[in-house]
This record gives sequence, structure tokens and C-alpha cells, in this order.
Amino acid sequence: EAQVTQNPRYLITVTGKKLTVTCSQNMNHEYMSWYRQDPGLGLRQIYYSMNVEVTDKGDVPEGYKVSRKEKRNFPLILESPSPNQTSLYFCASSETGINYGYTFGSGTRLTVV
Amino acid sequence: DQQVKQNSPSLSVQEGRISILNCDYTNSMFDYFLWYKKYPAEGPTFLISISSIKDKNEDGRFTVFLNKSAKHLSLHIVPSQPGDSAVYFCAASVLGSSNTGKLIFGQGTTLQVKP
Repeated sequence: EAQVTQNPRYLITVTGKKLTVTCSQNMNHEYMSWYRQDPGLGLRQIYYSMNVEVTDKGDVPEGYKVSRKEKRNFPLILESPSPNQTSLYFCASSETGINYGYTFGSGTRLTVV
Repeated sequence: DQQVKQNSPSLSVQEGRISILNCDYTNSMFDYFLWYKKYPAEGPTFLISISSIKDKNEDGRFTVFLNKSAKHLSLHIVPSQPGDSAVYFCAASVLGSSNTGKLIFGQGTTLQVKP
């Protein structure tokens, strides 16, 4: 089944403790992206990648890192999480660009206390 | 600065009637627009899209209209069904730019279709 898989689905952590949210897609898509969803703000793009080793900042990249060492994986790294990063995170992938639309994962609910 | 705005947080319609969801944008460089649908505990799913060279695109019960001069697009669902109850996001991008991975979303509108 074609899908974008994120792990974990739920995570509660403490301020300052480094964490990684994994994302993997099995569709051989070139484009991958991370979004966060917050009430009243919709979906905001954190980072995106157009291919292996090619990444760029979205609208809210502060406090996040990403890497794209292989085509299928696009992990999101929070080096020192803070409570304002409590959010619902979505990973997404796309075949060759926006005209095909992004396929989204099921989300990761992160709480930073 | 919210470049894509959905000013109605919620909409309630009766089953069988038309649902109209609206979206405004500020960036005149946007040339590709998409609508996504999201159920609770799931990721958004792609619904329909439209290029700026068109003013209408239809797919079954869903039609998207684009008014470039007003920087406005709308999604029409006819007839509305209870299963359409979800959060709807519009999104915009600039195709053909070096940032074709960049897709900007609005805040979302929660649609409730009553039986």
C-alpha cells in the first residue's frame, strides 16, 4: 500500500531533550515536507526537500532540523524542544512537485512539557 | 503574514444542499491552488486543484472556482453529504519556481453536513 509513515504517533517529552520524528514513504517520491498544525493557524510548512541532500526552509523552520540522506526517509529533528513546539506534525511526500499534491502521513501529536 | 486566508472557521449545511467554502490569497505570484480535506486523527487528503490559467475545475460533486482579479477561490460541493463533514484547507503554490516544494495552507474551515 502506498503510504507515508510517521513515528511515533504520540510523544510527550520534556523541554530540552532532543527528539527525532521519523518519516518514510514507499512511493519513490522526490519531494518531501514537514508541516505543523496549530488551532487557528492551519498547516504551516517547516521544511521541505526536493531530492536527496536538497532541503529548504518553509515558513516556520526555527527550532527544527531535517536531513534527506536517502530518498524514502525525511526525519524531523528537534535538538532542544520547547513548549511552543507542542503541536500536531505531518510529514508529506509528492511525486514531482506541487501539481500532484502532497500525500500526508497520519500525524504525530507532540507535547513538550 | 497570512498569505492564504480562510476567513470562515466553520460552515454548517443541510444534506443535499450546496456547500461553498471560500479562500482568499494575497500573493499574486501564486499560480496553482489545491483543496485538501481532513478527518480527525488522519492526515489531510488531496481533493482537487486548479491552475491559474483556468477559472474552473470540476471533479464529480466538487468544483473549484478561481477569480484571479479578486485573488479568491471557492470550493463548491453539490450535493453535500454527511460524509463530507471534515476540515477543508485551501493551499497555494508557485509552480515553475525554484521552490516548487513550497505549499502554503490556509487556516481551514470545518464543514458540518447535517442529515
